[in-house]
Amino acid sequence: DAGVIQSPRHEVTEMGQEVTLRCKPISGHDYLFWYRQTMMRGLELLIYFNNNVPIDDSGMPEDRFSAKMPNASFSTLKIQPSEPRDSAVYFCASSPGLHTQYFGPGTRLTVL
Amino acid sequence: QKEVEQNSGPLSVPEGAIASLNCTYSDRGSQSFFWYRQYSGKSPELIMFIYSNGDKEDGRFTAQLNKASQYVSLLIRDSQPSDSATYLCAVKSGGSNYKLTFGKGTLLTVNP
Repeated sequence: DAGVIQSPRHEVTEMGQEVTLRCKPISGHDYLFWYRQTMMRGLELLIYFNNNVPIDDSGMPEDRFSAKMPNASFSTLKIQPSEPRDSAVYFCASSPGLHTQYFGPGTRLTVL
Repeated sequence: QKEVEQNSGPLSVPEGAIASLNCTYSDRGSQSFFWYRQYSGKSPELIMFIYSNGDKEDGRFTAQLNKASQYVSLLIRDSQPSDSATYLCAVKSGGSNYKLTFGKGTLLTVNP
């Protein structure tokens, strides 16, 4: 199995631009999670889906952030407009619903 | 606000020694507890999880849980330089919500 796939691996953009991060979960996993990691705040859950349905989006910082999961093999996290404080590593993780969440390699986002 | 606290470290131990990593949590309703390891520049990976009070052993790793004291720890026996990483404690609340709350992690350095 290829594991969780994220793209792009690195993204540099200017303030005000739209950013779209992509994730392909492990096949057969019913749960998909989006996290953000910074030195200041650590690893924070933004939103998670079960069977493509958003279950808990309480971690989404504000309306500039949105996430979708149109099918079982693809999810996006969009930031519009982006701000310098959004600079972080964004991880996608998937889970079969038991104990383990399998993390993707992450997308390092820099907003100038 | 549910919180998970860890000593940020760095914790430095000599090769072959026992490394002890500690974590406290604020939500008494927490149900499941996880330890993740994260190498620099990489994504978190699950080492162990524990649900019940007491000890759980897996190879060189032992997780310890004390729900009355709201305390969970990870012991690494015969520490190796390859164990040098940041260790993240994560807590899942009770119920059907799969949200994990992470501590900021403890940086462990094992010196040859």
